[in-house]
Amino acid sequence: DVKVTQSSRYLVKRTGEKVFLECVQDMDHENMFWYRQDPGLGLRLIYFSYDVKMKEKGDIPEGYSVSREKKERFSLILESASTNQTSMYLCASSPQPSISFIQYFGAGTRLSVL
Amino acid sequence: AQTVTQSQPEMSVQEAETVTLSCTYDTSESDYYLFWYKQPPSRQMILVIRQEAYKQQNATENRFSVNFQKAAKSFSLKISDSQLGDAAMYFCAYSPGNTPLVFGKGTRLSVIA
Repeated sequence: DVKVTQSSRYLVKRTGEKVFLECVQDMDHENMFWYRQDPGLGLRLIYFSYDVKMKEKGDIPEGYSVSREKKERFSLILESASTNQTSMYLCASSPQPSISFIQYFGAGTRLSVL
Repeated sequence: AQTVTQSQPEMSVQEAETVTLSCTYDTSESDYYLFWYKQPPSRQMILVIRQEAYKQQNATENRFSVNFQKAAKSFSLKISDSQLGDAAMYFCAYSPGNTPLVFGKGTRLSVIA
């Protein structure tokens, strides 16, 4: 089975802190994604990556950055956390050939920014 | 921009009954992919079913089936013989091929024993 692991299920941070959310997949997938999930808004794409060191902005990249130094790991970075970034964050991965292929999700990280 | 609309924020169904979740999408593409994902409470989101637009036959996975109406841009999910474990958020998603998925806002399904 594909496994996508997010380092934390729950995280509480202070406004202004730099926050790292980590995601690791064990199936050698080329594509990785970070989403934000809010009630009534569904899933919104923050960033995605289709190869090591490659990244593309999604629909809501403002206030976030990402890093993909190794194929299996995709990190989401909140440079200076704000209260409006309190949310559930989901990581996903998918194999080639297409980034519209089936995605496999992690369990999510619920981030609270106080 | 492509959009995916799930018009039912919440639905409920009696155990063993059938329920249909609605999804419509907006696109000018002729070839694309459609998905239904399930997110159980506090658990990982998983794929329920996938449909390629060029296939006329509706996809089926055990108790889950879709009604794909390409001209109407409609992609509904039917769950037969509903079980307590079917209670979850269900998301409809669309992609034209080489761009990321676009998700709807979700439908929360409750199953009543």
